[in-house]
Amino acid sequence: SAVISQKPSRDICQRGTSLTIQCQVDSQVTMMFWYRQQPGQSLTLIATANQGSEATYESGFVIDKFPISRPNLTFSTLTVSNMSPEDSSIYLCSVGQGTEQYFGPGTRLTVT
Amino acid sequence: DAKTTQPNSMESNEEEPVHLPCNHSTISGTDYIHWYRQLPSQGPEYVIHGLTSNVNNRMASLAIAEDRKSSTLILHRATLRDAAVYYCILRPRGYGGSQGNLIFGKGTKLSVKP
Repeated sequence: SAVISQKPSRDICQRGTSLTIQCQVDSQVTMMFWYRQQPGQSLTLIATANQGSEATYESGFVIDKFPISRPNLTFSTLTVSNMSPEDSSIYLCSVGQGTEQYFGPGTRLTVT
Repeated sequence: DAKTTQPNSMESNEEEPVHLPCNHSTISGTDYIHWYRQLPSQGPEYVIHGLTSNVNNRMASLAIAEDRKSSTLILHRATLRDAAVYYCILRPRGYGGSQGNLIFGKGTKLSVKP
């Protein structure tokens, strides 16, 4: 299994600013994913980030708003840019290993 | 993407079995049936998965209909810790042999009464 940590665990940010969320995995993984969970909702996939290639974004998500870095096989960052209150959500990092997918504890973001 | 349909919520009594249903009538031949659950204030965690045959592990059992258009997650003795949202997800094979990413539906919120 993979153990995933995220930083920060929560933050309160002002609109118009940007926040970078870090995801650290305790083992090397090829596939990493970023999800968003809006209040009371299910998880929505933002993008897939494989090391050595550009992130692949799902419909409704763009690189300018959610730039992603994947510098190595154990680390990734997601930036939420030019934030608005609608970006208030939990952002979760996830990795695929074999047939299972493991999730981090999430970063709870509140935009005021 | 193949879709699943689950009841919004279910209730169970502690130490009784729970059967969580999932309909997936548009499932394709290469779709695996995965179940994940999300405990309060945590990320989702893997529960079980299968293709055609029923599956058992230490957490639960998965019963798959013969036509694969529905499945049931079985918790044999519910505990208070099993209160969570349970997601039934169809996961296509992809990415060069490894399985594709997870697309979550709304899931079933399970409440367990003492």
